[in-house]
Parts: sequence; structure tokens; C-alpha cells
Amino acid sequence: SQQGEEDPQALSIQEGENATMNCSYKTSINNLQWYRQNSGRGLVHLILIRSNEREKHSGRLRVTLDTSKKSSSLLITASRAADTASYFCATDAGNTGKLIFGQGTTLQVKP
Amino acid sequence: GAVVSQHPSRVICKSGTSVKIECRSLDFQATTMFWYRQFPKQSLMLMATSNEGSKATYEQGVEKDKFLINHASLTLSTLTVTSAHPEDSSFYICSASDRASNYGYTFGSGTRLTVV
Repeated sequence: SQQGEEDPQALSIQEGENATMNCSYKTSINNLQWYRQNSGRGLVHLILIRSNEREKHSGRLRVTLDTSKKSSSLLITASRAADTASYFCATDAGNTGKLIFGQGTTLQVKP
Repeated sequence: GAVVSQHPSRVICKSGTSVKIECRSLDFQATTMFWYRQFPKQSLMLMATSNEGSKATYEQGVEKDKFLINHASLTLSTLTVTSAHPEDSSFYICSASDRASNYGYTFGSGTRLTVV
């Protein structure tokens, strides 16, 4: 079963704007990861945030984690047309070793 | 960095035939590999956990006789879709548990299966 929900399901913005995607999960986690997937392609790992971290940055990416609310957000600043893709959060579902994915957000950045 | 090679990238087969998908860890040993299925415009659904030298653990609702998983070595797991039907058409992705990785998992590039 899927671990989390993501919203929005789809997001369309203009180049240069910021894009925010949210993810909620259900069980306790060790870490939460964000992945990107271009249409019909494999997954690209973007960033990992551990359960004892609240915020993490990587280039134009900013991830927050609120374990009390079981939620995370991914912010992409100064978006580019090349950021157009689907974005998924994934959690390690406790100590099972499994990586469970959220529903994903499809981002379209218009040039 | 760690690389997982998945083959084939695309395959078209006739209904009733079987298709084998390979997932290889190229520069590390993977005691555990995972197989996912992704329908168009949907998320990745975990199908099964493949453990080297033992039987795979299937998620609820996944037919183990339909999706045969073999993990005979520390670098190779295979998924065989048996007696394929058009509804089996999907994107299949494997990942390997890699403790040396900063994020613990390395993904293959996926296999697009089309059953006609």
C-alpha cells in the first residue's frame, strides 16, 4: 500500500516562479527522500532528509520535514522549464527496508 | 557511485508468453532488491522484496505465481512476468539496497513492458 499522499497532484507555473509540493506519510520513518522522474524514465534521487532534521537545502531545492505532522515539503526556487517532471516523496517505512512512494506531483514549468 | 543496470529497457511481447527482466548491481553487492510497478501517470507500487538466496516477499495483492522473482546472486535479481496479458503492460523498476550509498537505494532505469 502507498505510504503517503502528495499535493498538489499537478502544478503548472511560469519559469522563474517557485514550486512547492507537499507530502504526508502515515508511519514512523528514519528518513524521507524526494525523487524526480521525467516522463517514461527512471528515478533521479534529489535529496534525503533524516527524521531528526527539520530542513535541508541542495542548490535550488529546499526540503522541510515535520515529524509531528508526518509531512514534508519540497520547494524548487527560480524554476526552469527543465524542471518539468514528476516529483515523488518516499519513506523507508520504519525498519522494513522498503521504500514506499507517495502519489507524486506532476510539475509543468512553462517557458 | 553505485549503479544498477536494468535490462531490457523496452520489450514488446505477445499475450501468453513470458518475459524476463534483469536487475544487476554493477559495483556493489545487493542482498536485497526491490521491484516496483508503475502505471501511466501513477506512482510506483512496491511489488516485492527480493532477498539473495531466499524466496521473495510479495506485497499484498501481487500474484507470486504471475511475477516470479529470483535473486540467485548478490548482484542479480530477475523478474519474470509469466503468461503475460495486456493488463500486465506497465513500467517496471528495480532498486537495490545499497548501504554505502548516501540515501540507501539505487534504482535501475526501468523496463517498459507492452503486451500485445
